[in-house]
Amino acid sequence: QLQLQESGPGLVKPSETLSLTCTVSGGSISSNTYYWGWIRQPPGKGLEWIGSIYYSGSTYYNPSLKSRVTISLDTSKNQFSLKLSSVTAADTAVYYCASIVATTWDYWGQGTLVTVSS
Amino acid sequence: QSALTQPASVSGSPGQSITISCTGTSSDVGSYNLVSWYQQHPAKAPKLMIYEGTIRPSGVSNRFSGSKSGNTASLTISGLQAEDEADYYCCSYAGSSTYVFGTGTKVTVL
Repeated sequence: QLQLQESGPGLVKPSETLSLTCTVSGGSISSNTYYWGWIRQPPGKGLEWIGSIYYSGSTYYNPSLKSRVTISLDTSKNQFSLKLSSVTAADTAVYYCASIVATTWDYWGQGTLVTVSS
Repeated sequence: QSALTQPASVSGSPGQSITISCTGTSSDVGSYNLVSWYQQHPAKAPKLMIYEGTIRPSGVSNRFSGSKSGNTASLTISGLQAEDEADYYCCSYAGSSTYVFGTGTKVTVL
């Protein structure tokens, strides 16, 4: 069974870049079975798909965030990462990483709260 | 890419059945039988309850069932129990490896 764990700074200054890493255990991010993705949830609000990446490195982003988002793989560490540039208070959210099998988000990390504030 | 529309809240008494709707467009829900449903308790990560419209993962109670008609998917919880009180989100595949989530529904057990 897959396990995913997000890590990264809990506080980011406005206009800077948010960087998070998701460490995967119980499976390989190089497997062609899975896509890997990021979802966020602002406090008290709903879920928003940020983007996804396939083992080949192909990436897919939410059009509303595409200009600011980069998702990448680090196969040597069995991790994938999220970078979101030029952040504002509106980017304050709990960020989840998850695995995607076919088109189903099946295993999720516990989530990490990132606050954008000076 | 707009969020799928769900009712903000649905409530029911223990033992009753409730249905949560998830309305999209012909570009997402209407085009694919690829809607999944997630249960989220406070301060917890979402949990997969239904995938590909109607399929329950192993370990999920058979009180949960999914369906779809046109651009609207639905999640039905039968025999409502106190532990079912949570937020529920739908998610649809929208083509080209993109996804859209629903606005979320708070289920209250009276």
